[in-house]
Amino acid sequence: AQSVAQPEDQVNVAEGNPLTVKCTYSVSGNPYLFWYVQYPNRGLQFLLKYITGDNLVKGSYGFEAEFNKSQTSFHLKKPSALVSDSALYFCAVRDITWGKIIFGKGTRLHILP
Amino acid sequence: DGGITQSPKYLFRKEGQNVTLSCEQNLNHDAMYWYRQDPGQGLRLIYYSQIVNDFQKGDIAEGYSVSREKKESFPLTVTSAQKNPTAFYLCASSSNQGYEQYFGPGTRLTVT
Repeated sequence: AQSVAQPEDQVNVAEGNPLTVKCTYSVSGNPYLFWYVQYPNRGLQFLLKYITGDNLVKGSYGFEAEFNKSQTSFHLKKPSALVSDSALYFCAVRDITWGKIIFGKGTRLHILP
Repeated sequence: DGGITQSPKYLFRKEGQNVTLSCEQNLNHDAMYWYRQDPGQGLRLIYYSQIVNDFQKGDIAEGYSVSREKKESFPLTVTSAQKNPTAFYLCASSSNQGYEQYFGPGTRLTVT
């Protein structure tokens, strides 16, 4: 079965420091991987995706993610955190067979001023 | 503006009443989805549809029903059979090329 795990419920980072939000996945074939962000009482916003190609994927708002096939990871990163990056972040993987997307439980990111 | 809309933003109902949540998209996407979000539980898939007049149950379909009569519309009915209907409901759509989902702003349903 395909699955995605976000091992940290919460991550705290000081403003200006680099941030990493972790994601690992389990799929039977080539993974389609996604990151989304959710601000309070809002829908999710798409940040970036990996389908194929370069392992380092760049997305919205200065975020990037690194696909690591050997470690089955797809960690979200940003070189310098902003207070406005504080939100709930979801990693997701696409189930190739059924076409649905499976979401992790989310990681709450707190950027401390 | 292209996008996906959900209405209403807040909905209050008495226990035992059915309620229908609206979801409309003008992105020309083939696939549409309904999720339920509860605190600390992430998103759980209720129903999804990959094409008009066809839909499949997700992980928590019991107590819910959907229809997909038009490409742009995918309404969700929360029936009285749903034991814990109070939640934040999110609708999403995606194309069959990009695969990423675009989400509506959500409807917060409170049943008392």
